[in-house]
Amino acid sequence: DGGITQSPKYLFRKEGQNVTLSCEQNLNHDAMYWYRQDPGQGLRLIYYSQIVNDFQKGDIAEGYSVSREKKESFPLTVTSAQKNPTAFYLCASSITEGYTFGSGTRLTVV
Amino acid sequence: GNSVTQMEGPVTLSEEAFLTINCTYTATGYPSLFWYVQYPGEGLQLLLKATKADDKGSNKGFEATYRKETTSFHLEKGSVQVSDSAVYFCALIKPGAGSYQLTFGKGTKLSVIP
Repeated sequence: DGGITQSPKYLFRKEGQNVTLSCEQNLNHDAMYWYRQDPGQGLRLIYYSQIVNDFQKGDIAEGYSVSREKKESFPLTVTSAQKNPTAFYLCASSITEGYTFGSGTRLTVV
Repeated sequence: GNSVTQMEGPVTLSEEAFLTINCTYTATGYPSLFWYVQYPGEGLQLLLKATKADDKGSNKGFEATYRKETTSFHLEKGSVQVSDSAVYFCALIKPGAGSYQLTFGKGTKLSVIP
């Protein structure tokens, strides 16, 4: 079945470390997105990509980086420059208005 | 810019009660409107949508009507169940320049007690 796979489900990071969250889709969708979810804040867009080898900053891109070397994959790196990285991260892909979401990665700084 | 405002939660209801979650939006033109649901520890699932004024989206007993005159898309269900406990997000897409970005409300947490 087609879908989006995010891994790992839980991730712990020490302060000062970079970590990479994986997002893979087999839906043949051109567009992919990363969102951050905090309690009471809704979903905020970090980065998005509409085609391979191209991506755009969203509303809260500072402290994050992405790559889009393959259509299927859109990994997110949380860098040490992100001062408050503890959150739930959701990846999505879409074709026009039809979005599919992954099951999320919960990142905790320890 | 585009924005979505939905009622703050949490909302706690008894089983079989009537549910309304208010949602209003700000956008130029005619956006498409959506309700997504998030069960604990999971990603978002599309619950229903409407793409033009006066359209009614419906699914699993939930309904919402696209009201252009009041810029609203309120979610309703006549009789909630414990299994409806989740966070509900109202959202819109205003297509532009080949982009279909979702703009979300902050979410409303619903708890249904037996």
